[in-house]
Amino acid sequence: EAGVAQSPRYKIIEKRQSVAFWCNPISGHATLYWYQQILGQGPKLLIQFQNNGVVDDSQLPKDRFSAERLKGVDSTLKIQPAKLEDSAVYLCASSLERAGHEQYFGPGTRLTVT
Amino acid sequence: QKEVEQDPGPLSVPEGAIVSLNCTYSNSAFQYFMWYRQYSRKGPELLMYTYSSGNKEDGRFTAQVDKSSKYISLFIRDSQPSDSATYLCASRGGNQFYFGTGTSLTVIP
Repeated sequence: EAGVAQSPRYKIIEKRQSVAFWCNPISGHATLYWYQQILGQGPKLLIQFQNNGVVDDSQLPKDRFSAERLKGVDSTLKIQPAKLEDSAVYLCASSLERAGHEQYFGPGTRLTVT
Repeated sequence: QKEVEQDPGPLSVPEGAIVSLNCTYSNSAFQYFMWYRQYSRKGPELLMYTYSSGNKEDGRFTAQVDKSSKYISLFIRDSQPSDSATYLCASRGGNQFYFGTGTSLTVIP
């Protein structure tokens, strides 16, 4: 069974530029999560999708971050414009059930904002 | 106060030692508790999850929850160099998942 795929693996941009990350969850997993993990910290949940609907986006900085999962499979997370403090690893995870106790994580995208 | 707090370590033990990793949580309504292992430059990998209080064992790993003290523990028996990683505890509150900062563990051969 293929795992959660993410791309790109690394991205370096200048502040005020925009960037997009892509995630393909495990086949059949209806629930998809985007996390931000700043160096030395635990992952912070940004947004959770159930199929193509948003379950929770209370921690998403909506003035600059957006995410979509149009067909209930792949998802993209966008930052526009980026700030220095957005430098982090962006992790995508998926789970079979909405309860989310068994989440499977992708390798993450390491973003550096200069 | 953070929802889940974890001693970042680092923790260094000799091979074969019993390792104890601990977290505390703030909200008594939390019911589900998870432990993840994260190798350097990789995504977290679920080790196990528990519901409410009690113990759960899987091979060399035992997870323990004490709801009276809001304490979560992970024990690793017969630790191996391949166990060297960062261990993250997490808890679910409503639709949110709260992670600790992780404890860095090194098992010395």
